[in-house]
Amino acid sequence: NAGVTQTPKFRILKIGQSMTLQCAQDMNHNYMYWYRQDPGMGLKLIYYSVGAGITDKGEVPNGYNVSRSTTEDFPLRLELAAPSQTSVYFCASSLNPGTGEEKLFFGSGTQLSVL
Amino acid sequence: RKEVEQDPGPFNVPEGATVAFNCTYSNSASQSFFWYRQDCRKEPKLLMSVYSSGNEDGRFTAQLNRASQYISLLIRDSKLSDSATYLCVVNLNDMRFGAGTRLTVKP
Repeated sequence: NAGVTQTPKFRILKIGQSMTLQCAQDMNHNYMYWYRQDPGMGLKLIYYSVGAGITDKGEVPNGYNVSRSTTEDFPLRLELAAPSQTSVYFCASSLNPGTGEEKLFFGSGTQLSVL
Repeated sequence: RKEVEQDPGPFNVPEGATVAFNCTYSNSASQSFFWYRQDCRKEPKLLMSVYSSGNEDGRFTAQLNRASQYISLLIRDSKLSDSATYLCVVNLNDMRFGAGTRLTVKP
């Protein structure tokens, strides 16, 4: 059982480049999340999804896009990379919040640098 | 006002000490509450959920005060291995994290 798989683990982008961070889970979780974590800070929610075909903005959505075409996959797209997007990105999934089964399962993170 | 606010820390304590972390949240409709632990450069991991009646897991005790919109985490008999960042998490249809409190336990 792989859990949550994030790729790549590291990436360096030039300003203005685009890329997609991949996230997949094999636990049949409805909820999926993308967070970013800047050095010495907590996690900030970028986007989340409550199920296939449904996505919602979190605290810091600007500069990012997501899609949820299947239950398993929740890719995060950066269209025009900026230095402010240098961060560690975490994908997570969970069963329905409020059910007592809200434990977040995290991927191992992606360290992204934009230079 | 931030949705989830934590003591900024850092906390530096000797082994065996008792340490408490506090967290406040702004939305009274928040549904559920958690403490996560994060080791350096690693993904966060669930430490414990926080229930209205309070709950304990070994040396760790979590409390929730809905009236004051406040949750706490108490660690007794601190161990070197407790050194980490502790993150408060609040669920209101999404899962929002506090900025974290860094704990260092010293010999």
